[in-house]
Amino acid sequence: DTGVSQDPRHKITKRGQNVTFRCDPISEHNRLYWYRQTLGQGPEFLTYFQNEAQLEKSRLLSDRFSAERPKGSFSTLEIQRTEQGDSAMYLCASSRGGLISNYGYTFGSGTRLTVV
Amino acid sequence: DQQVKQNSPSLSVQEGRISILNCDYTNSMFDYFLWYKKYPAEGPTFLISISSIKDKNEDGRFTVFLNKSAKHLSLHIVPSQPGDSAVYFCAASDNNDMRFGAGTRLTVKP
Repeated sequence: DTGVSQDPRHKITKRGQNVTFRCDPISEHNRLYWYRQTLGQGPEFLTYFQNEAQLEKSRLLSDRFSAERPKGSFSTLEIQRTEQGDSAMYLCASSRGGLISNYGYTFGSGTRLTVV
Repeated sequence: DQQVKQNSPSLSVQEGRISILNCDYTNSMFDYFLWYKKYPAEGPTFLISISSIKDKNEDGRFTVFLNKSAKHLSLHIVPSQPGDSAVYFCAASDNNDMRFGAGTRLTVKP
């Protein structure tokens, strides 16, 4: 297993366009998380899935943000009508089981979004 | 809501000395505390954790101390090495999600 993969690594888009990011978690991990990180801040929780069920989405930043994990494997995060304030690093992480283990989450390298 | 705070944005220490990174939290429902290390252009990497029922956990050069009454935890690295230079994030979990501090940039000088 190669860990958590995120695609693309970088995305530059014009304001108002829609963007979609993909995350492939570690195969035996049933929990998948999306975080956003802006400069000088720690990762900020957005949403998470257990298998295909999205168990928490109230912390998505606005209704322009949505996430899916249709088959309980990979996940996508979509941002519609992007704004310059959406420029950030979007991190995906995965973990095993329903409890926070001693081993924390495994993070991907992130997708850096720049909205111009 | 900043439930996890790292008040020192940066720390510089000499190689071989001890590095102490601090973290404070406000939510008494957190039951796991973790430290992550992040290099540029990479995602955070898990370093060490501690359950809320313990006050110390040690793994090689890394030790995490938890003071529940003060809602404070710290990460000790001894001896510090230049390869430890990175941003360190403190995180706290209540099993639903994990909250992160803003990070402390550690620089270990040779």
